Amino acid sequence: DSGVTQTPKHLITATGQRVTLRCSPRSGDLSVYWYQQSLDQGLQFLIQYYNGEERAKGNILERFSAQQFPDLHSELNLSSLELGDSALYFCASSVDSGGTGNTIYFGEGSWLTVV
Amino acid sequence: SQKIEQNSEALNIQEGKTATLTCNYTNYSPAYLQWYRQDPGRGPVFLLLIRENEKEKRKERLKVTFDTTLKQSLFHITASQPADSATYLCASATYNQGGKLIFGQGTELSVKP
Repeated sequence: DSGVTQTPKHLITATGQRVTLRCSPRSGDLSVYWYQQSLDQGLQFLIQYYNGEERAKGNILERFSAQQFPDLHSELNLSSLELGDSALYFCASSVDSGGTGNTIYFGEGSWLTVV
Repeated sequence: SQKIEQNSEALNIQEGKTATLTCNYTNYSPAYLQWYRQDPGRGPVFLLLIRENEKEKRKERLKVTFDTTLKQSLFHITASQPADSATYLCASATYNQGGKLIFGQGTELSVKP
């Protein structure tokens, strides 16, 4: 158990809908990261928040947004869902702002299926 | 653009042998490389980190090397066991991109008894 908690574990929704994925980082970790993993794209970095502020951004679609709250949990919002958004979404956390080599701990992921 | 590549073909080896996985990067110089293990349907688990100024790191049966001339990292599992069967991911990072990691596609390792 990495200590990173993600909910829901599985989600099935229709095209055009909106979903919210939730992440609680490890106790004491200030950074939260979101990654998307699909069969054809592998593990892709979406976005990082550090202590409530956006720290780094990947190729996150405009239909997707995220935030980190004062209690450090984070939410990833996916809207106008398309079939191609079906993937495993991982949240990860680390103690610092990243780039130092400190270990990043991954949650077990949220499986999103868009039908 | 920054790119990291791993052997896409699965690696099948016999128990007790050494597994060697390859990670190549192009168009940039990572500050460090990390290796992760991922089991089906689970999150990646950190194994080892090696920095750009290090040639080799070891942890128990694991060894990783970093060759900045070849732009390559090798990951070795000695005395492999069936329990080592999993997908192994290589990831790179630079110092000016926060905690962003660029992952390779992963190499699936199967250790047969």
